[in-house]
Amino acid sequence: EVQLEQSGPEVKKPGESVKISCKGSADTFSTYWIAWVRQMPGKGLEWMGVIFPPDSDTRYSPSFQGQVTMSSDRATNTAYLQWNSLEASDTAMYYCARGGTYFDHWGRGTLVTVSS
Amino acid sequence: DIQLTQSPSSLSASVGGSVTITCQASQDIQNYINWYQQRPGKAPKLLIYDAFNLETGVPSRFSGGGAGTDFSLTITNLQPEDVATYYCQRYDSFFFSFGPGTRVDIK
Repeated sequence: EVQLEQSGPEVKKPGESVKISCKGSADTFSTYWIAWVRQMPGKGLEWMGVIFPPDSDTRYSPSFQGQVTMSSDRATNTAYLQWNSLEASDTAMYYCARGGTYFDHWGRGTLVTVSS
Repeated sequence: DIQLTQSPSSLSASVGGSVTITCQASQDIQNYINWYQQRPGKAPKLLIYDAFNLETGVPSRFSGGGAGTDFSLTITNLQPEDVATYYCQRYDSFFFSFGPGTRVDIK
């Protein structure tokens, strides 16, 4: 069964940094793109961007370009999403998902809470 | 930028009934539309890809249709476990966007 294991919840203060992770199988990380999707409290889904782990090709949504950094580690089959300086408005659930033209497997999400 | 609109924003139907959700794109997107179900407190789940292809394991009471700018998701024989928000999603050269979602409840 395909699984994407996401890291646990984070509670941070504004201005702090955080890096969340999404771990999958070798097959997933050698074949598929990994997407990141934001869901703010009570709101809809927002596509943030995708990364192709074999060559780290990354495409960002214009809404998130420059706000976050996506990366991946082929040795550990893990994708990362990081912020250098969090804001309260970054409070949300963040999902990773596997795919190409559609996302067929999703992680359970990582809740990031930013509060002073 | 291609925009997706969904209608209605919410609906309520009886168990055993049928519902249809529509998704309209601001430009022709061929068949590059996918549908997801998100049950309360859960991660999204792929239902339909490329407009009308049923994902493996998804009940056949879900079906998708349309092409170009107008697409639909139909649920027949509505079940209590279908209570969820449904999102359409477009794809274009590794850029994606989601529709605003349609909430489906049971009367």
